Amino acid sequence: DTEVTQTPKHLVMGMTNKKSLKCEQHMGHRAMYWYKQKAKKPPELMFVYSYEKLSINESVPSRFSPECPNSSLLNLHLHALQPEDSALYLCASSPLSKAIYNEQFFGPGTRLTVL
Amino acid sequence: AQSVTQPDIHITVSEGASLELRCNYSYGATPYLFWYVQSPGQGLQLLLKYFSGDTLVQGIKGFEAEFKRSQSSFNLRKPSVHWSDAAEYFCAVGVKAAGNKLTFGGGTRVLVKP
Repeated sequence: DTEVTQTPKHLVMGMTNKKSLKCEQHMGHRAMYWYKQKAKKPPELMFVYSYEKLSINESVPSRFSPECPNSSLLNLHLHALQPEDSALYLCASSPLSKAIYNEQFFGPGTRLTVL
Repeated sequence: AQSVTQPDIHITVSEGASLELRCNYSYGATPYLFWYVQSPGQGLQLLLKYFSGDTLVQGIKGFEAEFKRSQSSFNLRKPSVHWSDAAEYFCAVGVKAAGNKLTFGGGTRVLVKP
């Protein structure tokens, strides 16, 4: 299996809702990433997990809460979001080898709309 | 820190004409270079990548890119554009020393005229 899958594909939520985005990979990768992409802009890194531990948080507001319950699964818990958080959320995974460059493999994304 | 510049925000090309998208990077050592394409409402698709070796890289959908170290460039080309090539194109540089961080350029939107 050489894919990164993301569910749901689309999500509409109100500002008081709590929802979660899910990302899964079965390539044995030990690094997983969340990106946020606004329309007509490049992806922006939000979080990186290495060996199921949070290694990078790019100063993301606490209304976004990542979780990596195991090496194949990455969640992004959403609570009290704002309309400006509407975006495409991309997940990626990569190996964690010291010997080579660890290429990231991207999922198809979840398009989030906050009303 | 590394940076990536895509000088052209928009490019309009006629169907069947050639296409070249420019990408310039700033990084002290040899970078790992990528081109991604994104159709409206879709995720990122990897077109091609350069890690080492032959500086002319072939990718999917008939695209190729050439790494020129002296110019710090990694331009993307396609000899004959199809209407389905209308999309946003992102150049990216990966840096192993920075935790394999990917830095993206601002993107180039390609419009294809019939």
